[in-house]
Amino acid sequence: DAGVIQSPRHEVTEMGQEVTLRCKPISGHDYLFWYRQTMMRGLELLIYFNNNVPIDDSGMPEDRFSAKMPNASFSTLKIQPSEPRDSAVYFCASSPVWGRHYEQYFGPGTRLTVT
Amino acid sequence: DQQVKQNSPSLSVQEGRISILNCDYTNSMFDYFLWYKKYPAEGPTFLISISSIKDKNEDGRFTVFLNKSAKHLSLHIVPSQPGDSAVYFCAAETDSWGKLQFGAGTQVVVTP
Repeated sequence: DAGVIQSPRHEVTEMGQEVTLRCKPISGHDYLFWYRQTMMRGLELLIYFNNNVPIDDSGMPEDRFSAKMPNASFSTLKIQPSEPRDSAVYFCASSPVWGRHYEQYFGPGTRLTVT
Repeated sequence: DQQVKQNSPSLSVQEGRISILNCDYTNSMFDYFLWYKKYPAEGPTFLISISSIKDKNEDGRFTVFLNKSAKHLSLHIVPSQPGDSAVYFCAAETDSWGKLQFGAGTQVVVTP
C-alpha cells in the first residue's frame, strides 16, 4: 500500500485566503485523524472520523476550520479565512481500528505558511 | 494546556553512546504511553510503547522506562546510531478514550 497520502506538501498563501488540505487514507482504514504540529504545542488532534462520519471535532481551534470526509478514500481540511497563526504542519493519519494501543499511520504532512 | 511535556527541545549525542529522552505528564488518568519517531519531511511513525502496569519495556536498542509516582517516562537508545537522528514525540492515552496527547518533541542529533 502507498500509505497515507497528503497534498499539497507545501502551501504558501496570504492572510484571508482559503486553504484546502487533502488526505487519502490507507485503504481499509476506518478511522481518519487530522493533526496540527507547532513548535510550542507539538502534535494536536483537530478532528477524527469513523466511517466518514466526524466523531470528535473538539480540537478544531475555531469556526474558520472545517473538515469533511465525503467518502472512505478522501478527506479535506479547510481554513477560511486563513491567518498567519495557522502556519504549521498539518498531518493526516489513519487507523484500521479505533481504540487503545492501536497504531496510527501518519502521512508526510502539509507545511502551511500564511503570510 | 499541555498534559504531556518534553522539556528538552534538542539533544546531541555521540554515535555509540546512550541517548536519554525525557517526558513528563500531568494527567494521572493516562495509563498507556507511546513514543513516535519523525524524520524530516515524513510523518511520525510508532516506535515503542508501555502500559502503566509495567515500569520497563525493551525493543532492541530502545527501552522505555515509566515512573508513575513521578509521572515521568524516558526513552533510552543504546547504542545511538546516526540513523537515530530524528524528532521523538512522547504520547499518552487514557483508558476511557483512545485519543493520543503528544508532547512537543525532542530533536535528537547523533554525531559521528
